[in-house]
Amino acid sequence: GAVVSQHPSWVICKSGTSVKIECRSLDFQATTMFWYRQFPKQSLMLMATSNEGSKATYEQGVEKDKFLINHASLTLSTLTVTSAHPEDSSFYICSARTTSGRRDTQYFGPGTRLTVL
Amino acid sequence: AQSVSQHNHHVILSEAASLELGCNYSYGGTVNLFWYVQYPGQHLQLLLKYFSGDPLVKGIKGFEAEFIKSKFSFNLRKPSVQWSDTAEYFCAPLDTGRRALTFGSGTRLQVQP
Repeated sequence: GAVVSQHPSWVICKSGTSVKIECRSLDFQATTMFWYRQFPKQSLMLMATSNEGSKATYEQGVEKDKFLINHASLTLSTLTVTSAHPEDSSFYICSARTTSGRRDTQYFGPGTRLTVL
Repeated sequence: AQSVSQHNHHVILSEAASLELGCNYSYGGTVNLFWYVQYPGQHLQLLLKYFSGDPLVKGIKGFEAEFIKSKFSFNLRKPSVQWSDTAEYFCAPLDTGRRALTFGSGTRLQVQP
């Protein structure tokens, strides 16, 4: 149990285009999902907290107009990188939080590698 | 704000050696602590977690960690590592206010056969 999927697993896009990444909790409901960014050989940096039915909470330094987050249901959160530029190239990872029977635990998706040309 | 420090950035061990990876966190209040592992090319997996009770917690694959409140530490241990333990290990305390994890810089473990 506690499986989180992400789609797509990788994407290559041209500079200036927008890219949408989906994060789904497959066997549990998640009122809260998190979006992280991981640079090569570095740790995960929290970008934002996605709350079902309300606005996301962004970490300091993360542009909310550039990284649009929508958490439309208890099993789906999306991250849209708008007007992507090469510096946005990174590995984006989501996690879904569960408190049902497993205490407060986050399960992670496999990540999405974004390359902006 | 919560902060976490992992002192060992890169550890190289031979198979059957014992492992201890350090983790220190800053928060002095109620703390929930996690260790995650990221095998090459794979996503983060939960190794073990501590919420309360017995400070020695056991996780998957023979790993364990000890919560020492007085030292603000949550070190990861394994008595005898295997080649398949080669991975990146992340310590992550939970910010109980924001309910978000703060990740350490990670420790890359390389086990030589």
